[in-house]
Amino acid sequence: QSVLTQPPSVSGAPGQRVTISCTGSSSNIGAGYDVQWYQQLPGTAPKLLIYDNSNRPSGVPDRFSGSKSGTSASLAITGLQVDDEADYYCQSYDSSLSVVFGGGTKLTVL
Amino acid sequence: EVQLLESGGGLVQPEESLRLSCAASGFIFSRYAMTWVRQAPGKGLEWVSAIGGSGANTYYADSVKGRFTISRDNSKNTLYLQMSSLRAEDTAVYYCAKDRSWVGAKDSWGQGTLVTVSS
Repeated sequence: QSVLTQPPSVSGAPGQRVTISCTGSSSNIGAGYDVQWYQQLPGTAPKLLIYDNSNRPSGVPDRFSGSKSGTSASLAITGLQVDDEADYYCQSYDSSLSVVFGGGTKLTVL
Repeated sequence: EVQLLESGGGLVQPEESLRLSCAASGFIFSRYAMTWVRQAPGKGLEWVSAIGGSGANTYYADSVKGRFTISRDNSKNTLYLQMSSLRAEDTAVYYCAKDRSWVGAKDSWGQGTLVTVSS
């Protein structure tokens, strides 16, 4: 059971918009700690997609965006592409002195 | 270009020890906290441990506290994870990652090294 809760799977057709939620609590996201998002393509290492809630590292397309409100955060992907098919993880910090990850969401592009 | 290269994984028996290494290049190693994250087969990411840039501050997940030790040699640009009293549930791919801050984003990752604990 992960500290941060994500839906196990989401899907969308090419060109569509999908969102992935990440629900925490008052001891992590709700306490003001930043949220990161990672993309893990099949058989590869995770890659940072969004940092500090809504910032994109250099090279990440603006089709990817992040937001945070209260005890939750969201990752939105617009103009869905086949190459976006991957696992997505949110990450934050918990006041129990631990870095925490969500359980991951598998994105399927139909 | 940041490069992180893990090594040292392999097959070990329960209760044995293993040391992982992560060779870093492409950035000023001593200026950044570093982290180990693991991923059991078919499972999600699990934070394992982190260390500050100087090596003075270390942090551990409850699941490995007292069994794993993180360290670094800034003169060799290398991060280590000494693992002892290994259990079957420690079986995973272990990734090292460069931190923006130890509680925040891991902005570069290695390719991972597989540790299998089995008799």
